Amino acid sequence: DAKTTQPPSMDCAEGRAANLPCNHSTISGNEYVYWYRQIHSQGPQYIIHGLKNNETNEMASLIITEDRKSSTLILPHATLRDTAVYYCIPRGQGAQKLVFGQGTRLTINP
Amino acid sequence: GAVVSQHPSWVICKSGTSVKIECRSLDFQATTMFWYRQFPKQSLMLMATSNEGSKATYEQGVEKDKFLINHASLTLSTLTVTSAHPEDSSFYICSARHREPGELFFGEGSRLTVL
Repeated sequence: DAKTTQPPSMDCAEGRAANLPCNHSTISGNEYVYWYRQIHSQGPQYIIHGLKNNETNEMASLIITEDRKSSTLILPHATLRDTAVYYCIPRGQGAQKLVFGQGTRLTINP
Repeated sequence: GAVVSQHPSWVICKSGTSVKIECRSLDFQATTMFWYRQFPKQSLMLMATSNEGSKATYEQGVEKDKFLINHASLTLSTLTVTSAHPEDSSFYICSARHREPGELFFGEGSRLTVL
């Protein structure tokens, strides 16, 4: 499994865009980049995933660098409810399990 | 999105007793389910992978005789913590793999406190 590096914590003002970086320099060619978040005392919640193209859904946007060694999750208009730990996880297509790293604790401040 | 439900959401038990936690996929069939454990301020740690109708595969360092996993149907997996001790107190989370397109969905978690 590819290893990831994420900043342990970040702060963002409510209403601003939150940009969460992830380094995955050892990612394999067939591995997608998945993002999950975990709000305190809840199970992880799927956010978005991508292979090499940028992706957008109703929750967030995912920007993947051309060399695929890093990516950025963007929450365009952060709210207080976006306060959570965000995990970036490389995972091969058809791969069974998700292996969690330490993630980034994002705090949205009023 | 697909829904995975865990029960109970929290449980308190005495040391030495056994506790069963259920994980159900409510609106899809899950051939594979995963069990994680999470201690305070730590990340999720994968304990085992359970496949319907077969024995679970445990991660290194996880005692299979202590954490009994049964995946009897395509919508239900159970984790039994046998002879629980205070050090087993943790947040236990299950995940179910949707057949198509193979995405993983997580339960709400079950908090176990062993006195």
